[in-house]
Amino acid sequence: ETGVTQTPRHLVMGMTNKKSLKCEQHLGHNAMYWYKQSAKKPLELMFVYNFKEQTENNSVPSRFSPECPNSSHLFLHLHTLQPEDSALYLCASSQGGGEETQYFGPGTRLLVL
Amino acid sequence: GENVEQHPSTLSVQEGDSAVIKCTYSDSASNYFPWYKQELGKGPQLIIDIRSNVGEKKDQRIAVTLNKTAKHFSLHITETQPEDSAVYFCAAAARQLTFGSGTQLTVLP
Repeated sequence: ETGVTQTPRHLVMGMTNKKSLKCEQHLGHNAMYWYKQSAKKPLELMFVYNFKEQTENNSVPSRFSPECPNSSHLFLHLHTLQPEDSALYLCASSQGGGEETQYFGPGTRLLVL
Repeated sequence: GENVEQHPSTLSVQEGDSAVIKCTYSDSASNYFPWYKQELGKGPQLIIDIRSNVGEKKDQRIAVTLNKTAKHFSLHITETQPEDSAVYFCAAAARQLTFGSGTQLTVLP
């Protein structure tokens, strides 16, 4: 495995629910990322944290709220999602940002009903 | 921002044949070009990468070539095996990684 774990692996939620996705990296990296992967589309970068500071927010709707309490943990809080938010959510980490190699977790498959 | 185009979107080859996947990018500041393999139910895994000071890199059956002038790079897989079947993504990085849309490779036994 890559050293990046994600929980849960699968999640079904209604549009009025609140849930959180968790990511943990065991690689000693300083940067962590959230990506959204939808069918037939490129991976979409959502958020970037470098040394616990958010350095990128790619115009993501406010119903997605990230949290990075330390360099090893990253959360994505979800509330009032829409069916079109159903996708695979991938977490990744790298030693630094930018041109560093990113290592991905297995993803959380999210279904919004 | 960076734009990465990847072709083909699907590719079927006979076992033992070679497979080639091509990508173009738009930002001349990009200096890092990784390739990822994603199997069903898993996250993308890095298989090879190249930086702009190198034109070609090889790792056993996998090779990547880079043409910075033309802004394109390619993945070559030789002697393909059924376990090579997966989705392959190219990416280019200037400030952040931008991914191509993926190629579904099927190796037919």
